[in-house]
Amino acid sequence: NAGVMQNPRHLVRRRGQEARLRCSPMKGHSHVYWYRQLPEEGLKFMVYLQKENIIDESGMPKERFSAEFPKEGPSILRIQQVVRGDSAAYFCASSPGVEQFFGPGTRLTVL
Amino acid sequence: DQQVKQNSPSLSVQEGRISILNCDYTNSMFDYFLWYKKYPAEGPTFLISISSIKDKNEDGRFTVFLNKSAKHLSLHIVPSQPGDSAVYFCAASASISSGNTGKLIFGQGTTLQVKP
Repeated sequence: NAGVMQNPRHLVRRRGQEARLRCSPMKGHSHVYWYRQLPEEGLKFMVYLQKENIIDESGMPKERFSAEFPKEGPSILRIQQVVRGDSAAYFCASSPGVEQFFGPGTRLTVL
Repeated sequence: DQQVKQNSPSLSVQEGRISILNCDYTNSMFDYFLWYKKYPAEGPTFLISISSIKDKNEDGRFTVFLNKSAKHLSLHIVPSQPGDSAVYFCAASASISSGNTGKLIFGQGTTLQVKP
């Protein structure tokens, strides 16, 4: 009964490169949420997806960030042309309904 | 606009005593509240939750109290143990049945240290 899986756990990118973060929800969960935690801050909501649909992207930056949750495979958070300010921990959570269960996170460092 | 606030960045208690972590919110649409515990380099772990139709929920050593009129909730840990040392986040959500998406709004976190 695996929990929420995220990979990679650590990702280092140079400015201008692309970052792809993957999230596999718990078995049977069809709701995926992405959150970002900047240093010394709480988690901030980014986007909520169900299979093949973006339901709420009100927390996503307007440019460079995109997310998908295809019919098959993990959810992907994609950051194009990364900047130093994108350095953060990115967490995904899956949910069967109300409670959300979090993965271990991907720590993105932009050099 | 910080809708969920944890005003104490840190708390230190002695093993065996009670730990009380506090959280305030401003949005009256929130009707579901959760507490998460987080260790460094790990994801948040769900601890306990409470719906706005209740004012108390208990699970073992953990009890959450909700005061809707004051827009305040608290987490009590009794007795506190050294393994409880972690960062605790409160989070709030507006119900999906009301047309909201269930996204969680988190406080900034309180670092709890339980001394042996």
